[in-house]
Amino acid sequence: EVQLLESGGGLVQPGGSLRLSCTASGVTFSNYAMNWVRQLPGKGLEWVSGISDTGDTTYYADSLRGRFIIARDNSKNTLFLQMNSLRAEDTAMYFCVQTRSGGVSDGFAVWGQGTMVAVSS
Amino acid sequence: DIQMTQSPSSLSASVGDRVTITCRASQNIDTYLNWYQQKAGKAPKFLIHAASTLQRGVPSRFSGSGSGTDFTLTISSLEPEDFATYYCQQTTRLPLTFGGGTKVE
Repeated sequence: EVQLLESGGGLVQPGGSLRLSCTASGVTFSNYAMNWVRQLPGKGLEWVSGISDTGDTTYYADSLRGRFIIARDNSKNTLFLQMNSLRAEDTAMYFCVQTRSGGVSDGFAVWGQGTMVAVSS
Repeated sequence: DIQMTQSPSSLSASVGDRVTITCRASQNIDTYLNWYQQKAGKAPKFLIHAASTLQRGVPSRFSGSGSGTDFTLTISSLEPEDFATYYCQQTTRLPLTFGGGTKVE
């Protein structure tokens, strides 16, 4: 069974940084593109960023490009999201998601349980 | 960006009811449309791919249809475990976008 386990969330002050991690098990991690999706409290789902299976290509929501950086280490089955210059409106549950295939633009087949990020002074 | 509009935003239903949720895209997305189910406090679950293909393990009471700009998710006979929020998502073009959700209560 495929499992995704996020970590790294927490409380951070505005302007601060956090690095989220997502470790995959039960899957050949390097075969799949990965994404981050967030959900603001009580709100819907928002795609944040995606990365190809090899890590060569990355994609971002326009509003987040420049502040967030997605990366992966296929040797450690781990996905990362470096979040800089955090704002109150970045407060959300962040989900790590594995796609159906090597393409970022495919169905989000497996979801982690999420890690909460709270930006507040 | 492609806007995804779901309706209704919420609906009240009873066990055994037939439930239909609609999703409309702001432009043609062919059949690049997925459906997800999210229960309170849980991560979303992938239900339907490419507008109508059920994922493995999803009960056959769920079905999806549509192409172009108009799509539907149908639950033929609502079960207690189906009370949840449902989201559509387009994957034809980045940024990948979700509908606002439909809460079935």
